[in-house]
Amino acid sequence: AQSVTQLDSQVPVFEEAPVELRCNYSSSVSVYLFWYVQYPNQGLQLLLKYLSGSTLVKGINGFEAEFNKSQTSFHLRKPSVHISDTAEYFCAVRLNRDDKIIFGKGTRLHILP
Amino acid sequence: NAGVTQTPKFQVLKTGQSMTLQCAQDMNHEYMSWYRQDPGMGLRLIHYSVGAGITDQGEVPNGYNVSRSTTEDFPLRLLSAAPSQTSVYFCASSRLGTDEQYFGPGTRLTVT
Repeated sequence: AQSVTQLDSQVPVFEEAPVELRCNYSSSVSVYLFWYVQYPNQGLQLLLKYLSGSTLVKGINGFEAEFNKSQTSFHLRKPSVHISDTAEYFCAVRLNRDDKIIFGKGTRLHILP
Repeated sequence: NAGVTQTPKFQVLKTGQSMTLQCAQDMNHEYMSWYRQDPGMGLRLIHYSVGAGITDQGEVPNGYNVSRSTTEDFPLRLLSAAPSQTSVYFCASSRLGTDEQYFGPGTRLTVT
């Protein structure tokens, strides 16, 4: 069965510093990978997705993620964070077009002034 | 375009009561799903559907029922509410395949 592990429950980072949020998945087959963001008291919105092709995926708000098949990872990065990036970030995986979508437990990003 | 709508936004139930959380989408999406969100647990999949008449269990299906009689609607039924079902419930929909999921605004349920 597929599963998603987000290794950090909380990540504090200073404003304008770079950040990496880690995500590992378990699957023996090809997967589709997603990162979602949830701002305080709001629903979820898509940041970016990996379907196939280039392993570096660019999303909204300056975020990007790199798919690494050998390490079964899909880490999210931003070179310089802003206070408005304060949110919870969720990694998700889908095995194939007819399958369910499973989420990780989330990582809270705290931006320090 | 309404997207994914959920009703009610807030609900308080007593232990043992039953209720239905409503979810509707107007994007003609085949895939619909229900998640619950609890602190430190992320989003856990309760049930999902890949089309009208087809439903399947997710990670935490116990205590919940679903049906999918139309493409647009995917109600979630709590048969006999328990305090452990206190949570925020999100409904989501997408086209089948690689498309992103679109989430509703959520229903905050408290069971006392």
